[in-house]
Amino acid sequence: DAKTTQPTSMDCAEGRAANLPCNHSTISGNEYVYWYRQIHSQGPQYIIHGLKNNETNEMASLIITEDRKSSTLILPHATLRDTAVYYCIVRVAGGNAGNMLTFGGGTRLMVKP
Amino acid sequence: GAVVSQHPSWVICKSGTSVKIECRSLDFQATTMFWYRQFPKQSLMLMATSNEGSKATYEQGVEKDKFLINHASLTLSTLTVTSAHPEDSSFYICSAPDRDGEQYFGPGTRLTVT
Repeated sequence: DAKTTQPTSMDCAEGRAANLPCNHSTISGNEYVYWYRQIHSQGPQYIIHGLKNNETNEMASLIITEDRKSSTLILPHATLRDTAVYYCIVRVAGGNAGNMLTFGGGTRLMVKP
Repeated sequence: GAVVSQHPSWVICKSGTSVKIECRSLDFQATTMFWYRQFPKQSLMLMATSNEGSKATYEQGVEKDKFLINHASLTLSTLTVTSAHPEDSSFYICSAPDRDGEQYFGPGTRLTVT
């Protein structure tokens, strides 16, 4: 799996958009960008994933650059409950159950009142 | 989405004893499950891959005789920490992929060895 680079930490004001960047310059053509988050003392939670098109779901939006070398996770209206460590992971998607996830350091997002 | 459970959610044991942690996929079958370990303020580190019907595969540096893994059925994998020591105190997390290969994580088990 390609390596990712994320800022160690970020702050965001409650109610504002949180934009979390991720660099994955060595991503392969068949690798997707996945985002998970981990709230303190809990297991990771899936947020969103995409290949090359921008994606949106009820939790967040994912913007992937045209060259696919970086992406941004957007939480449109951050709340205090969004305080967590956010992990950007690139991996091949699909039915291969052998595809475990390799976690980097992630970004510790602190949402402040 | 799919649900993965872990039991217990936390456990305290004395040094030298063994502890078993269960990981269950509640609404899907998983021929493979993954076990991770997370120390405070660190990221998740893959320990081993649990394979139903065959031996687990361990990551480099993880002692297979200390961390026994049994994938008893298509919905259950167990991790037994044998002869636990204080340095084994950690947050243990399992994950299981559904048939589409999407990973779902358990809530984690916090082990404290005194």
